[in-house]
Amino acid sequence: GENVEQHPSTLSVQEGDSAVIKCTYSDSASNYFPWYKQELGKRPQLIIDIRSNVGEKKDQRIAVTLNKTAKHFSLHITETQPEDSAVYFCAARDSGNTPLVFGKGTRLSVIA
Amino acid sequence: NAGVTQTPKFRVLKTGQSMTLLCAQDMNHEYMYWYRQDPGMGLRLIHYSVGEGTTAKGEVPDGYNVSRLKKQNFLLGLESAAPSQTSVYFCASSAYGREYGYTFGSGTRLTVV
Repeated sequence: GENVEQHPSTLSVQEGDSAVIKCTYSDSASNYFPWYKQELGKRPQLIIDIRSNVGEKKDQRIAVTLNKTAKHFSLHITETQPEDSAVYFCAARDSGNTPLVFGKGTRLSVIA
Repeated sequence: NAGVTQTPKFRVLKTGQSMTLLCAQDMNHEYMYWYRQDPGMGLRLIHYSVGEGTTAKGEVPDGYNVSRLKKQNFLLGLESAAPSQTSVYFCASSAYGREYGYTFGSGTRLTVV
């Protein structure tokens, strides 16, 4: 089955700097890679996703890149703001009927 | 449009007691899931369902049972609660197909004493 590793587990950045979170996956058949943001005490919410036929996707200050050869994908947040502080989870799915497999999460702290 | 609704939001159980967590979705999603979230452990899949009347085991199914009698509802049961089941439980649903993300419920914080 799929296995997803996520690094780092914690990340602190100064407001305005960029943040990068990296994930690797094991199953070369995986083709859907979402990212979730979970604020303290709240539910995880989908912030961006990428499919295996796309190398990069952007949405304002957030971007995700995918390297299928190396089996890794990354979340990039530019011009970080205090409200970006949260736990971020990456995930991967290897077939239509199987559930997403999540990484263990990255706690991002943006210091004002 | 409520999305995914979980009840109850909080519960304290004594060891050995039983309870059922209810998840309801109004998006006509085929797939539903139960996860538990513990500090440093991420989201671990307990059970899931790919359609009405079907259930399957996830990563950590022991001590839990589930039922999906109606498409919109997915129930998680604890027959004899243990302190190790103290956790935050999230239900999620998704549309058919591998390229759809999840919609999560707001979670149930369960404490077993």
